[in-house]
Amino acid sequence: QKEVEQDPGPLSVPEGAIVSLNCTYSNSAFQYFMWYRQYSRKGPELLMYTYSSGNKEDGRFTAQVDKSSKYISLFIRDSQPSDSATYLCAMTSTTNAGKSTFGDGTTLTVKP
Amino acid sequence: DVKVTQSSRYLVKRTGEKVFLECVQDMDHENMFWYRQDPGLGLRLIYFSYDVKMKEKGDIPEGYSVSREKKERFSLILESASTNQTSMYLCASGPGLQNTGIRNQPQHFGDGTRLSIL
Repeated sequence: QKEVEQDPGPLSVPEGAIVSLNCTYSNSAFQYFMWYRQYSRKGPELLMYTYSSGNKEDGRFTAQVDKSSKYISLFIRDSQPSDSATYLCAMTSTTNAGKSTFGDGTTLTVKP
Repeated sequence: DVKVTQSSRYLVKRTGEKVFLECVQDMDHENMFWYRQDPGLGLRLIYFSYDVKMKEKGDIPEGYSVSREKKERFSLILESASTNQTSMYLCASGPGLQNTGIRNQPQHFGDGTRLSIL
């Protein structure tokens, strides 16, 4: 079983919808929780990250971490066609010394 | 903003050639990484480095080697290219223990090199 499982998608929503992207994990030592956005034929771009539990908001994006349930989410409000991309969750722990464990990604399409 | 620059966006090479992929970062990051990304397989770590002249094997190091002679530059070498090494190669860098006192901060990626081996 993988350490990080990501909802596979693909996900297709109308413009303006609220989008929820989710990952679960099994390693209790994970401390940093990241979300990357990857457009076609480009490298992943660090969108947001949180340290330990809690919420973090940045404009239309909110990242949530629930360490008790080993569950993280990225919410996108008022989704736009420009949000169409693959979203990767990633996590690091003190025991793997800077290496990240990535989910396989969820492809999101926002239709005008 | 962090900038990770990969030398080529697209590269076509022949089977058996020695191939060099170059990566440069401008943030004085200690940690640098090479991944490959294939459909259905996600991101797979090839090699990483915590400091100049230091390297560690990732999950799929076979057929690859790396070089880090300067802190800002991390090179991936395909010793004898084969068709199953056709892939998207991604370089990443991240702050390390000496940068921030924290070992495991997030990585930043370059735009990738799409390598085709014919």
